[in-house]
Amino acid sequence: DVKVTQSSRYLVKRTGEKVFLECVQDMDHENMFWYRQDPGLGLRLIYFSYDVKMKEKGDIPEGYSVSREKKERFSLILESASTNQTSMYLCASSATSAAGELFFGEGSRLTVL
Amino acid sequence: LAKTTQPISMDSYEGQEVNITCSHNNIATNDYITWYQQFPSQGPRFIIQGYKTKVTNEVASLFIPADRKSSTLSLPRVSLSDTAVYYCLVGDEGNTPLVFGKGTRLSVIA
Repeated sequence: DVKVTQSSRYLVKRTGEKVFLECVQDMDHENMFWYRQDPGLGLRLIYFSYDVKMKEKGDIPEGYSVSREKKERFSLILESASTNQTSMYLCASSATSAAGELFFGEGSRLTVL
Repeated sequence: LAKTTQPISMDSYEGQEVNITCSHNNIATNDYITWYQQFPSQGPRFIIQGYKTKVTNEVASLFIPADRKSSTLSLPRVSLSDTAVYYCLVGDEGNTPLVFGKGTRLSVIA
């Protein structure tokens, strides 16, 4: 089975802190994604990556950056966390294409105080 | 902007068949239709994907009419554990990521 592991299920950070959300997949997938999910808004794409060291902006990249130094790892970075970034963050990967079957992690619930 | 429209919520009793319809009027020739299921506090998981006519697997059936402007996810004999949010997405096999809408919240009642 494909496994997508997110490093932290729950985090509490303070406004202005730098936050790293780590995601690792074990199936050699080419594509990786970061979404955030908020009540009533569904899932919104933050960033995605087709390959190592490649990244593409999604629908809501402002306030975020990403890093993909290795194929299996895709990190989401909040340079200076703000309260409006309190959310559930979901990482996903897919094998063949950006529109192929997505495999999601369990999510990281971030609270920014 | 989501390319699909689906009901916000639905209720059903246990044992009934549930049909969730999704509209995708602007579907492109190369687009597939994919459905995901999401339980609380979990990431979505793939249920079924189709291009035309009917697709069936162990979880659900997907009905797609000839004009492909809509599709219907059919869940046979739902149980309480089918309570979840169901998302309909359309996209091709290129590098444009799928767009998740708000989904349909299905509540199954005993």
